[in-house]
Amino acid sequence: EDQVTQSPEALRLQEGESSSLNCSYTVSGLRGLFWYRQDPGKGPEFLFTLYSAGEEKEKERLKATLTKKESFLHITAPKPEDSATYLCAVQANTGGFKTIFGAGTRLFVKA
Amino acid sequence: GAVVSQHPSRVICKSGTSVKIECRSLDFQATTMFWYRQFPKKSLMLMATSNEGSKATYEQGVEKDKFLINHASLTLSTLTVTSAHPEDSSFYICSARERGRGRTEAFFGQGTRLTVV
Repeated sequence: EDQVTQSPEALRLQEGESSSLNCSYTVSGLRGLFWYRQDPGKGPEFLFTLYSAGEEKEKERLKATLTKKESFLHITAPKPEDSATYLCAVQANTGGFKTIFGAGTRLFVKA
Repeated sequence: GAVVSQHPSRVICKSGTSVKIECRSLDFQATTMFWYRQFPKKSLMLMATSNEGSKATYEQGVEKDKFLINHASLTLSTLTVTSAHPEDSSFYICSARERGRGRTEAFFGQGTRLTVV
């Protein structure tokens, strides 16, 4: 069964304190791994798609990396506006485009 | 680009009535649209997948007669919650995948907060 596990559940950082969020996955053939950001009461906002082990993508203070078993979302020098829930999701290369989401990591960045 | 609009953002209805939620892709054609339900501080639970012009595929445990999905065009899908009950109160979110671009990611609407009283 395809599964996504994110850790930690919640992370509290001081402004400027870099850290990483983890996403472990098991999937029967990976088509893509996705990272989304979700603010309270809003729909998820797309951040990155990673397709193969070794791939990296960056956007402002965020950098996503992928191995065969997990993905990391690195946050460099975070600001309070980076506070949100970060969701990881995977899509198998079978079963259409069904996407399985992890429970998310709630990030709090204090000024 | 890749904007998905969901309407309404909030709705309160009486128990026993039906509610329709619309999901539109504004600047692209969506081959596939997805409907999710999200409980507080929980992840997204896929309810169903809809492809334009065909019947929706529902996930196990989701009642197809209660959650009616119509995907009549490449830019519009609707979810109707029929005979709503308080336990149907939740945050419903749609997403859409762009047609033919070879991209696999889906883009999400703003979500609809449904409260059944």
